[in-house]
Amino acid sequence: GAGVSQSPSNKVTEKGKDVELRCDPISGHTALYWYRQSLGQGLEFLIYFQGNSAPDKSGLPSDRFSAERTGGSVSTLTIQRTQQEDSAVYLCASSLDAGYQPQHFGDGTRLSIL
Amino acid sequence: GIQVEQSPPDLILQEGANSTLRCNFSDSVNNLQWFHQNPWGQLINLFYIPSGTKQNGRLSATTVATERYSLLYISSSQTTDSGVYFCAVGLYNFNKFYFGSGTKLNVKP
Repeated sequence: GAGVSQSPSNKVTEKGKDVELRCDPISGHTALYWYRQSLGQGLEFLIYFQGNSAPDKSGLPSDRFSAERTGGSVSTLTIQRTQQEDSAVYLCASSLDAGYQPQHFGDGTRLSIL
Repeated sequence: GIQVEQSPPDLILQEGANSTLRCNFSDSVNNLQWFHQNPWGQLINLFYIPSGTKQNGRLSATTVATERYSLLYISSSQTTDSGVYFCAVGLYNFNKFYFGSGTKLNVKP
């Protein structure tokens, strides 16, 4: 079956612009995760959604970052007034359930802020 | 948050050699996973292993939860095993997941 789908695969934008990143999880997966990976670094946890429950937003790096998940499926990560330090690969993962199932990752969105 | 330390940070192997990667974590967890990130950046889940031992082909993993560490064994390494291996842990009720900084493996032919 289809894996986790992320779009766009690459995004180049000017500093100060807003960007929206999309994640389409594996069908039937209730848990969805967003991570950020800077060049040559490990993954930084951003936010997690379980079904339609309100997420814990404390992992988001600043108030310029927001995320939503509509209908318990597709999720969007929005970055407002982008800064150069936002440049990274943004990865999305989903799992069948939150705590006890393996996570499956999409190919990521490579975001470059000029 | 939970601290996750992986060792060694870098590893070079000759094809056919065996290796052991280690992951130490600072608190009790009920979710531990190993991932392989290939040279093209794709992340593949290798094991979900909060405790016990699992094997999948040439790879196996053991987690000793009471002592807060996990080991990933790679036997008869192949060049396709190259990439970065990440350990990640989480606590179900705290809705967060923590990755280690990874072990970068280079298998030479």
